[in-house]
Amino acid sequence: ETGVTQSPTHLIKTRGQQVTLRCSSQSGHNTVSWYQQALGQGPQFIFQYYREEENGRGNFPPRFSGLQFPNYSSELNVNALELDDSALYLCASYLDSSYNEQFFGPGTRLTVL
Amino acid sequence: AQSVTQLGSHVSVSEGALVLLRCNYSSSVPPYLFWYVQYPNQGLQLLLKYTSAATLVKGINGFEAEFKKSETSFHLTKPSAHMSDAAEYFCAVSDGNRDDKIIFGKGTRLHILP
Repeated sequence: ETGVTQSPTHLIKTRGQQVTLRCSSQSGHNTVSWYQQALGQGPQFIFQYYREEENGRGNFPPRFSGLQFPNYSSELNVNALELDDSALYLCASYLDSSYNEQFFGPGTRLTVL
Repeated sequence: AQSVTQLGSHVSVSEGALVLLRCNYSSSVPPYLFWYVQYPNQGLQLLLKYTSAATLVKGINGFEAEFKKSETSFHLTKPSAHMSDAAEYFCAVSDGNRDDKIIFGKGTRLHILP
């Protein structure tokens, strides 16, 4: 148990819809990162939030957006879903810097039909 | 740009045998290196990390890894495999800045043969 939870566990959407995924970080962790893990691949960095501000972004289009809240929770929003968005979405929380241990949640499995 | 290459998408070893999972990295700055394990339907768990201290890093569950700058490698080893080690293993690299992302390899699935 890492203390990081994600909801929902599984989600099925159709192409063109919008989705919101949620993450509850470990208490005191001021940084959260989101990753997309396609089947058979390693996690790909989407973006990072530090103290409620976006603080780094990977090679993902603007339809991927996020929010971080003062209560250590965060959201990943994806608009205009595409079939290739089907993946496991992981959030990871940590304190300050990437060389400190990142604690990963169990992920949300998103299927886009 | 940083990158990680994991050699072998699948590795099979017998229970009690040596585990060796290979990872090579590319980085323009001194890297921070990580090994993560992922069990089915779970998130990633940190096994060990290298952050420019000792080159031989010991982690959880009997795993260790050695940072070799001349070979740009960070291979993961365990002297004696256990059935519970069957999982997906990811090597990852970062330059350690707060706003820097962690780059993951594609993963190696470890199979343990009875």
